[in-house]
Amino acid sequence: EDKVVQSPLSLVVHEGDTVTLNCSYEVTNFRSLLWYKQEKKAPTFLFMLTSSGIEKKSGRLSSILDKKELFSILNITATQTGDSAVYLCAVDTSLETSGSRLTFGEGTQLTVNP
Amino acid sequence: KAGVTQTPRYLIKTRGQQVTLSCSPISGHRSVSWYQQTPGQGLQFLFEYFSETQRNKGNFPGRFSGRQFSNSRSEMNVSTLELGDSALYLCASSSRTRGYGYTFGSGTRLTVV
Repeated sequence: EDKVVQSPLSLVVHEGDTVTLNCSYEVTNFRSLLWYKQEKKAPTFLFMLTSSGIEKKSGRLSSILDKKELFSILNITATQTGDSAVYLCAVDTSLETSGSRLTFGEGTQLTVNP
Repeated sequence: KAGVTQTPRYLIKTRGQQVTLSCSPISGHRSVSWYQQTPGQGLQFLFEYFSETQRNKGNFPGRFSGRQFSNSRSEMNVSTLELGDSALYLCASSSRTRGYGYTFGSGTRLTVV
């Protein structure tokens, strides 16, 4: 059974801190790993990673994938209260012949206090 | 460019009833997948449709079903509702030709009483 595990499940920090969120996975078929931010309802897309060792950056957020050790990290520097959300890691286990499917981790609840 | 649209936003139903939820994908996206999100189980895959065909199905009972129309809009149906079906139902659309990214709608919050 495909499995995605995130840690920590919950994190409380102060504005300005840097945080690292972890995601490990064990899946049969790997197409890509995706990170989403969920504040109220719709998870919003952050990154899609397909290749090991290539860092993706967007402002204060960055992410990297290690396909040998089967994990990814999401870094947020100089955190702001607006970064408070649940961060979801998902692995796309789609096959060309069997259609699309995302397996999600439990999510990390990040709270940034002023 | 319009995003993924889900209707209705909220629903309250009684045990034993059935419910139909709707999802309109991003224009040009032919794949629509559905997920159930609950506090205890997180986000779980229900099924995926592509060109009106169900290609993939998660581990949910047969009370959960869906379909996709020729314009790629999708509906999911839950029959004989149980209290445990209370959840946020999210749909996502994706496109192979556009990098396989998945865009989620805002979801339908279903409460079964």
